Amino acid sequence: DQQVKQNSPSLSVQEGRISILNCDYTNSMFDYFLWYKKYPAEGPTFLISISSIKDKNEDGRFTVFLNKSAKHLSLHIVPSQPGDSAVYFCAASGAGGGADGLTFGKGTHLIIQP
Amino acid sequence: NAGVTQTPKFRILKIGQSMTLQCTQDMNHNYMYWYRQDPGMGLKLIYYSVGAGITDKGEVPNGYNVSRSTTEDFPLRLELAAPSQTSVYFCASRPQGAQGSPLHFGNGTRLTVT
Repeated sequence: DQQVKQNSPSLSVQEGRISILNCDYTNSMFDYFLWYKKYPAEGPTFLISISSIKDKNEDGRFTVFLNKSAKHLSLHIVPSQPGDSAVYFCAASGAGGGADGLTFGKGTHLIIQP
Repeated sequence: NAGVTQTPKFRILKIGQSMTLQCTQDMNHNYMYWYRQDPGMGLKLIYYSVGAGITDKGEVPNGYNVSRSTTEDFPLRLELAAPSQTSVYFCASRPQGAQGSPLHFGNGTRLTVT
């Protein structure tokens, strides 16, 4: 039973345009949501996060939006650059500090076309 | 600052062999994790530890063992390798008590069991 779902295995976007990656979750106990970026042969690296008490968090070109009622979050990248081509994982943390780690989606492979 | 270091980077095992995947971190993080990533799938939690001497099972612990004798090290042991354990293994850490703080990942160990 997947608690964190990324329904688009891949996404192709032109350089300079906006990339929007989507994520849905089922567990209402999740209290933090994170986005990770992963290049081939490397470990995932943290990109941006959002607390469940917020609906938006911004860091430079990256913005994460959270819609708690719809159990949906999205990552916006504006403008998209060639170096953004990677696999993006959505992850969620449970209540109580999340000592038991993060629950990950299957990832979306973002391809930025020149 | 090395962060999370995993060794080896690659390994091929025959069915029934055993091995230990090494993980060490130099950030004095109390929380450490082992994940596996199968092709096209998200990361699944194998085991985690909240401090030296304390370990707990994650989502997919069967066929694995862990120990945590020091804050820095969190080795993962495969006793009787099976083809189903072919995967990429990631070790991660994060500080205790920092709710919502991201996990820091190593670069992974790619294991093939034939």
